[in-house]
Amino acid sequence: DVKVTQSSRYLVKRTGEKVFLECVQDMDHENMFWYRQDPGLGLRLIYFSYDVKMKEKGDIPEGYSVSREKKERFSLILESASTNQTSMYLCASRLTGGDEKLFFGSGTQLSVL
Amino acid sequence: DAKTTQPTSMDCAEGRAANLPCNHSTISGNEYVYWYRQIHSQGPQYIIHGLKNNETNEMASLIITEDRKSSTLILPHATLRDTAVYYCIVRVDSSASKIIFGSGTRLSIRP
Repeated sequence: DVKVTQSSRYLVKRTGEKVFLECVQDMDHENMFWYRQDPGLGLRLIYFSYDVKMKEKGDIPEGYSVSREKKERFSLILESASTNQTSMYLCASRLTGGDEKLFFGSGTQLSVL
Repeated sequence: DAKTTQPTSMDCAEGRAANLPCNHSTISGNEYVYWYRQIHSQGPQYIIHGLKNNETNEMASLIITEDRKSSTLILPHATLRDTAVYYCIVRVDSSASKIIFGSGTRLSIRP
C-alpha cells in the first residue's frame, strides 16, 4: 500500500516563526498536494507539484511556499507564521495516468500562538 | 473540473444501505466521478470511481445516471465506522491539474 507520511501530527509555533511541514511518499508518485482543512470550509488546495522542482498555486497560496527537490518529498513552508494559519494541513500524492487515486497522509494540526 | 453539489448532512440506521447523492450537471464526457471519505481526525480515503458504468468494490457501489449528471454512492450495510464526511469529485484523469474538494456530506450512522 502507498504510504504518505507527514513529519508531525501536532505542531505548536509562535507568530512570526518560519515553519516547515514535511511530507514523504514511498510510491514514486509524480503529483503531490498540500491542502488545509478548517471547520466549515472543507479542504482547500494550497499548492501542488506535478514533478520535481515543478509547482503550481492552488486556491489559497498566500503566505505559503513549497519545495520539491526530490520526487518523494514535498515541503510546505510558512515563511512567517500567523495565527490565521492555525489549521489542519493534509498532504496527498497521486500517480499521473492510469489509476489516479489520491493518497493522503494523516495530517498535521498546526497551532500558531 | 465540473462542480459538484452534495447534501450537507444525512443519517442512516446501522445495517441499512446508505445512499449518498451527488449532482454534477456540468460534467464533461471525459470526466470521472470520484468518491472519498474522511473519518474524524484522519486524512481522506479513496472509496471508488467511475466514468459511465456502475462500479462496485469491497467498500461501496457507485451508480451513475445515464446522462451522467448525477451519481449515488451506496454503502450496502452501513456500520458505525462508516460515520464520516463523504466527498464527491469530478475530474479528468491523466491530468496534472489541481483536485478540488467541495464541502462533502456528513453521514451519521445511528445505532
